[in-house]
Amino acid sequence: AQKITQTQPGMFVQEKEAVTLDCTYDTSDPSYGLFWYKQPSSGEMIFLIYQGSYDQQNATEGRYSLNFQKARKSANLVISASQLGDSAMYFCAIQNQGGSEKLVFGKGTKLTVNP
Amino acid sequence: KAGVTQTPRYLIKTRGQQVTLSCSPISGHRSVSWYQQTPGQGLQFLFEYFSETQRNKGNFPGRFSGRQFSNSRSEMNVSTLELGDSALYLCASSLGPAGGRETQYFGPGTRLLVL
Repeated sequence: AQKITQTQPGMFVQEKEAVTLDCTYDTSDPSYGLFWYKQPSSGEMIFLIYQGSYDQQNATEGRYSLNFQKARKSANLVISASQLGDSAMYFCAIQNQGGSEKLVFGKGTKLTVNP
Repeated sequence: KAGVTQTPRYLIKTRGQQVTLSCSPISGHRSVSWYQQTPGQGLQFLFEYFSETQRNKGNFPGRFSGRQFSNSRSEMNVSTLELGDSALYLCASSLGPAGGRETQYFGPGTRLLVL
């Protein structure tokens, strides 16, 4: 069974600063993908970034980067130059590849960006 | 390109009734998954459909059912509603099985309140 653990229920950051959201995972599958989604108060889940288990380099997408440490089974999201619009819930998810597309989500981290 | 659309956006039902939720995937996407989000249980996988076939099902009672049509649109049905079925129901679409990364893109969700 796959599991995602997000240990930070809430995080605060000052505008324009960087913030790291933690995610650890557990899986017995050799091939998997890790995803981060953002959920504003409106409810829609917005895809941010993806990291494959065999990817050699850490993923980056604009202000988002993923600090992937496979041996430690962690996939932390780094948001650089935080903006007020980054205030939202952030979910880490894992997907087994080669089979079902099912995503297993963590409980999420609520990020608040202060002006 | 239009995103995933879900109808209705909000719904109020009473216990014992049934409800049908609809999801239209992104054009060209053939895979649709459904998730239930509640404050207590978080995001939980309901079902996954590809080419009108259910590929995977989460751990939900038989009152929860779904289907996918030939145009990839999907519906889910909940019969004999219970108070605990109050939740945000999210639909996600992807291109379909490709043996690798299958990013799911989510719709805005349907907020169901059962009284």
